[in-house]
Amino acid sequence: GAVVSQHPSWVICKSGTSVKIECRSLDFQATTMFWYRQFPKQSLMLMATSNEGSKATYEQGVEKDKFLINHASLTLSTLTVTSAHPEDSSFYICSASHPGRATYEQYFGPGTRLTVT
Amino acid sequence: AQTVTQSQPEMSVQEAETVTLSCTYDTSESDYYLFWYKQPPSRQMILVIRQEAYKQQNATENRFSVNFQKAAKSFSLKISDSQLGDAAMYFCAYRSGSQGGSEKLVFGKGTKLTVNP
Repeated sequence: GAVVSQHPSWVICKSGTSVKIECRSLDFQATTMFWYRQFPKQSLMLMATSNEGSKATYEQGVEKDKFLINHASLTLSTLTVTSAHPEDSSFYICSASHPGRATYEQYFGPGTRLTVT
Repeated sequence: AQTVTQSQPEMSVQEAETVTLSCTYDTSESDYYLFWYKQPPSRQMILVIRQEAYKQQNATENRFSVNFQKAAKSFSLKISDSQLGDAAMYFCAYRSGSQGGSEKLVFGKGTKLTVNP
C-alpha cells in the first residue's frame, strides 16, 4: 500500500490566527512531500516541495512567511498557515513521493478544508 | 517548461459504455512519466494508471488503459465498461524522469466525467 493521511480533514479558524495541517505517510518513508492548494472546480496548484531535513522550496508567488512548511521526519510534513485571512480559505492537499516505486508516483492525502472567518 | 493540456473540460458516458479522455503534453525531455489521477466528489486524489515514456507498450489497469503516442505527445485514457463510480474529475499529469530533474507533477486542468445510468 501507499497511504497518506492528513489531519485535520476540516478546520475553521478566526482571521489572524494560525492553523497547522499535518501530512503523514503511513506505510512508507517519504523523503519528498508536496503541498497543493485547490480552488473549487480547478486543478491542483503546487505551493511547495518539502524535503526531509531541509528547507522547503516554494513556488513563485507563494508567501513562504505565510505558509510555513516543516518536514521533520521521513513520515511527517506540516503546513502552518500563519495570520490566516479569509482569502486563505481553500482546500489544501499534501502528497508524498514513494521512493520504492520506479515511477516515483505521488500518493495524496485526503485533503484539508480550511475556512477562515 | 513542461505543460499538460486536457482539451475536454467535461465528458459524459453511458453506463457500460467506453469513453476516452484526451491529454497532450509538451516537453523537450526524453525521459519522463505520465499519470492519470482520479478525483471523485470526496476530493481524494487516486492514481489510476502510470506510463513510463521509455516503454512502448501501453499501460493497462483492469478497465483502464492508455494510448501513449510519444511522437505526438499524446496520452489518452480509455475507460471501458464505465461504471457509476467512475464519475469524477480526471487529471493528466507529467513528471520528469531526468537525472536531477524536477520531482514536481505538472497537472492538466482536468476533465469532469459524468456517467449516466
